[in-house]
Amino acid sequence: AQSVTQLGSHVSVSEGALVLLRCNYSSSVPPYLFWYVQYPNQGLQLLLKYTTGATLVKGINGFEAEFERGETSFHLTKPSAHMSDAAEYFCAVSLQGFQKLVFGTGTRLLVSP
Amino acid sequence: GAVVSQHPSRVICKSGTSVKIECRSLDFQATTMFWYRQFPKKSLMLMATSNEGSKATYEQGVEKDKFLINHASLTLSTLTVTSAHPEDSSFYICSARSSTGESSPLHFGNGTRLTVT
Repeated sequence: AQSVTQLGSHVSVSEGALVLLRCNYSSSVPPYLFWYVQYPNQGLQLLLKYTTGATLVKGINGFEAEFERGETSFHLTKPSAHMSDAAEYFCAVSLQGFQKLVFGTGTRLLVSP
Repeated sequence: GAVVSQHPSRVICKSGTSVKIECRSLDFQATTMFWYRQFPKKSLMLMATSNEGSKATYEQGVEKDKFLINHASLTLSTLTVTSAHPEDSSFYICSARSSTGESSPLHFGNGTRLTVT
């Protein structure tokens, strides 16, 4: 069965600092990988996804993630945090051939001035 | 881009009453929609997969008689919480894919905050 682990329920950074949100997964086969962002009392918005091809994926708002097959990781990064990046971030996986997404428990990103 | 509209955004109801939540795909057809429940400070839990024209597929542990799902058209799925109790209070989110293929991303509604008093 698939599982997703997001290390750290909260991550705090200063504005302009590097953002690193960690995601590890377990899967018997290479999965599809996603990062979503959720603002308070709203649904989820897709940041980026990896399916096949280039392992470095660039998403919206300056975020990117790299599929590390050997490490079964898909960490989300952004070179310089902005106040508007403060939100909840969810890593998710789905197996090829299945429509269901399995979500991690989320990481709340806090950005201080 | 693809838009999923969810209504209402907030609802307060009394114990024992039923509440209906609507999920609409505004600019695409969705043969499959998904209903999630999000507990405070927790991840999203998939409740059921809603299939247009057929019965929904419920995840293990989700009471299908309590959470009724109807997917009557290619753009509308509804979730009805029947005989609501305070423990049903939660944030419910629907989602849908704008194209076929499991690699296409899900588009989410803005969620419904249900409070049962």
